[in-house]
Amino acid sequence: DTAVSQTPKYLVTQMGNDKSIKCEQNLGHDTMYWYKQDSKKFLKIMFSYNNKELIINETVPNRFSPKSPDKAHLNLHINSLELGDSAVYFCASSQDELRGYTFGSGTRLTVV
Amino acid sequence: GEDVEQSLFLSVREGDSSVINCTYTDSSSTYLYWYKQEPGAGLQLLTYIFSNMDMKQDQRLTVLLNKKDKHLSLRIADTQTGDSAIYFCAESMGDYKLSFGAGTTVTVRA
Repeated sequence: DTAVSQTPKYLVTQMGNDKSIKCEQNLGHDTMYWYKQDSKKFLKIMFSYNNKELIINETVPNRFSPKSPDKAHLNLHINSLELGDSAVYFCASSQDELRGYTFGSGTRLTVV
Repeated sequence: GEDVEQSLFLSVREGDSSVINCTYTDSSSTYLYWYKQEPGAGLQLLTYIFSNMDMKQDQRLTVLLNKKDKHLSLRIADTQTGDSAIYFCAESMGDYKLSFGAGTTVTVRA
């Protein structure tokens, strides 16, 4: 039933490790996003894919690599994790501007 | 969050009205949105307004848009404890990209 689902919900890992966060949407939306929410609750867009094509790539370290195997999935792989990567990462999808985004419940990443 | 600004905190008594304010910078924004984030959850779209509208009402929610001043507000009538959350204002930047404010934490006290 879940519209946008992310796994895992919590991720605690050591500096220098590589980790992935998965996202899937069953809404039939064409566009998917990754947003980062820092400890002050600021939300910044990282990436956006439309029909598996990258359309937004904000200033994000190239340790972050999104992958969209099909339009229902957008995964985020992070290499060489750093302390500053600790945040909540939200996946979202949209069909058009009018209806805005549908968000997943977030993945809280803690790098120790 | 630098394109969209909001006050960070609002405390309101149960049963009173809450008004959350937001200013944005992009005059070409087509849509403006209000999202609600409860603790540990994702953002939930509450309402939106098209840029050629001045006002939109949806049950207890009233959105006012002053396009000249680039000012957006959300009024919640008869605020309840379940309305305690962070409220984000967002503007569409084109190409499906949304720019969010820093969020206003609303605390409802009995």
